[in-house]
Amino acid sequence: DSGVTQTPKHLITATGQRVTLRCSPRSGDLSVYWYQQSLDQGLQFLIQYYNGEERAKGNILERFSAQQFPDLHSELNLSSLELGDSALYFCASSANTEAFFGQGTRLTVV
Amino acid sequence: AQKITQTQPGMFVQEKEAVTLDCTYDTSDQSYGLFWYKQPSSGEMIFLIYQGSYDEQNATEGRYSLNFQKARKSANLVISASQLGDSAMYFCAMTHFGNEKLTFGTGTRLTIIP
Repeated sequence: DSGVTQTPKHLITATGQRVTLRCSPRSGDLSVYWYQQSLDQGLQFLIQYYNGEERAKGNILERFSAQQFPDLHSELNLSSLELGDSALYFCASSANTEAFFGQGTRLTVV
Repeated sequence: AQKITQTQPGMFVQEKEAVTLDCTYDTSDQSYGLFWYKQPSSGEMIFLIYQGSYDEQNATEGRYSLNFQKARKSANLVISASQLGDSAMYFCAMTHFGNEKLTFGTGTRLTIIP
C-alpha cells in the first residue's frame, strides 16, 4: 500500500459528460501529481500541485482542470469527455525524491 | 528535452534467473534522478528504486539493483533470482532538479516462466 488513495477505482461515463477524480496523498506529502496512461500515449504527466498551488503543467487539455484543497487532497475534473479520454488516471504524491502512486482510476468513456 | 528509451518491449525469463531491463536516457542537465516502477496486471504503479545523478554507488533495494553508467547515459534495472510475482510491466523514468515531474519510457513487459 503506497498510502495514496484514489477514488473511484472505475468509472464508466458517456461522451460529453463531466467527471471528478479524487486523490488523497500520503500523510505529510505536499506535492500531488496527475498522470494519464493510455495505450497510444503511454504515461504522460498532466499537472502538479504543491501545497495548494499549481506548480507545473504538462500535456493537460483545456477541458481538464485540477485543484488541491487546504487538506492537500486533490481533484481532477474532466469535462466534455471524448472516447479518446478513456485511460487510467494516476495520482502520485511525494515529499522529496520518490513519487508514490495511487491505484489509479480507470475511466471508460462510451 | 528529456527522453527515456526502453528498447525491450517484452522479455521472457526462466524463474530464478537474473534479468536485466535496459534503460537509456537523454538529458543535457547535470542534476537528475532515475527511477524504476513496476506495474502488475492489476494496474498500480509500484516504486522500486531510485538513483541520483550524483550518487557514486549503484542503488540497491533487496533483489533490485540499478546499474548506473553515467557516461553511457544508461540506468539498467537488474532483478536477481527472479520470481513468478516479478511478471509485470516495468517503467524507467527520470526527473530533473527543480522539475519534479516524471518522464517515463514506454515500458518492458517481463514474463517469468516457471
